[in-house]
Amino acid sequence: QVQLQESGPGLVKPSGTVSLSCAVSGGSIRSSNWWSWVRQPPGKGLEWIGEFYHSGSTNYNPSLKSRVTISVDKSKNQFSLRLSSVTAADTAVYYCARVFGEIAVAGYFDYWGQGTLVTVSS
Amino acid sequence: QSVLTQPPSVSEAPRQRVTISCSGSNSNIGNNAVNWYQQLPGKPPKLLIYYDDLLPSGVSDRFSGSKSGTSASLAISGLQSEDEADYYCAAWDDSLNGRVFGGGTKLTVL
Repeated sequence: QVQLQESGPGLVKPSGTVSLSCAVSGGSIRSSNWWSWVRQPPGKGLEWIGEFYHSGSTNYNPSLKSRVTISVDKSKNQFSLRLSSVTAADTAVYYCARVFGEIAVAGYFDYWGQGTLVTVSS
Repeated sequence: QSVLTQPPSVSEAPRQRVTISCSGSNSNIGNNAVNWYQQLPGKPPKLLIYYDDLLPSGVSDRFSGSKSGTSASLAISGLQSEDEADYYCAAWDDSLNGRVFGGGTKLTVL
């Protein structure tokens, strides 16, 4: 059973950077799956942020692409999110998730972390 | 404004059947698979339907999915109070080269 666990600061100052990690257990980051970040502002819907494949390929939400970096630490079996120049609009619960399959177009989220709330405030 | 359009809310009585619609375009639903997720309050989303109409192991067969053209639907039969949740459709969008979600539909079991 694959498990994902997010970690990182819960409070970030405006213009700062959200930095989160997702530890993967019960499965390998090197498997034939994509690994993704999704966020959900309080009381609102889900927004896909981006994803990566262990070969180095990445896909990002065009609306966030200029501020987002997703990277991987294969030795620790974890991946990370950096979102820069944040504002209050970036306050959200951030989820990491596995996208089943090696073909991004055909993938779906089959495992999710519990989520971590990040608040952007001074 | 979400790329995929869902009704904000639906409601129905216990033991009845309800459907939730998801409308898109040729660049997403019309050309790619639709997946559905259930999100209970305070919990992460859970995969409910994948590849338009397939049920993951462990998901009740009271849930079913369908797709026609650029629209998809989720049907829930024999409604139970435990089905009260937010439901999201999702698909890959070829124009955006990324994943898109519907705005979510809140189901209330009366």
